[in-house]
Amino acid sequence: QVQLQQWGAGVLKPSETLSLTCGVFGGSFSGYYWSWLRQPPKKGLEWIGRVNHSGFTKYNPSLESRVTISVDTSKNQLSLELSSVTAADTAVYYCARGEVDYFDHWGQGTLVTVSS
Amino acid sequence: EIVLTQSPGTLSLSPGERATLSCRASQSVSSSYLAWYQQKRGQAPRLLIYGASSRATGIPDRFSGSGFGTHFTLTINRLDPEDFAVYYCQLYGSSPMYTFGQGTKLEIK
Repeated sequence: QVQLQQWGAGVLKPSETLSLTCGVFGGSFSGYYWSWLRQPPKKGLEWIGRVNHSGFTKYNPSLESRVTISVDTSKNQLSLELSSVTAADTAVYYCARGEVDYFDHWGQGTLVTVSS
Repeated sequence: EIVLTQSPGTLSLSPGERATLSCRASQSVSSSYLAWYQQKRGQAPRLLIYGASSRATGIPDRFSGSGFGTHFTLTINRLDPEDFAVYYCQLYGSSPMYTFGQGTKLEIK
């Protein structure tokens, strides 16, 4: 049974860089797409971007200038960096495994709060 | 950009009843790329339906999806107390690559 476990800093100041990592346990890393999504408090879901095991990425155009998603296949991990954060980036961030068109396994979520 | 609009915003029903949730796309989309998720408070979303009508692994057959073009429906028969949650539809293939509806909250009447 595949499990996704996330970790990273939960409190940032404006202009800092958000950095999260997601470890994949109990399943194959290749053959899937690995995404990051976020959910602001009491709001809906927003897709941030995805990477495959070869490192090919695709980003949400609204965030593309600030986002980097990378993969370390030797560790079965993917990472998210979001630069120049503001209060609008406060959200629960999720990693998720996907087939081409949907997400079938999710991490537990990490609340990231941006506050001065 | 294709916008997904879910209705109603909140649905109040009793256990044992049937729930019908709607997801409308701003333009015609492929049903192959429409999914539904359930999210309980404090938890990550859980995949229920993909390809508009295929149940994900372990999802009870009380959950069913249907629709094509611009209108999709998630039906939950014989509501169980565990089913009261927020439900999201999701589309692949537009820009951004994945888009979500704003959600329908299913609450106990």
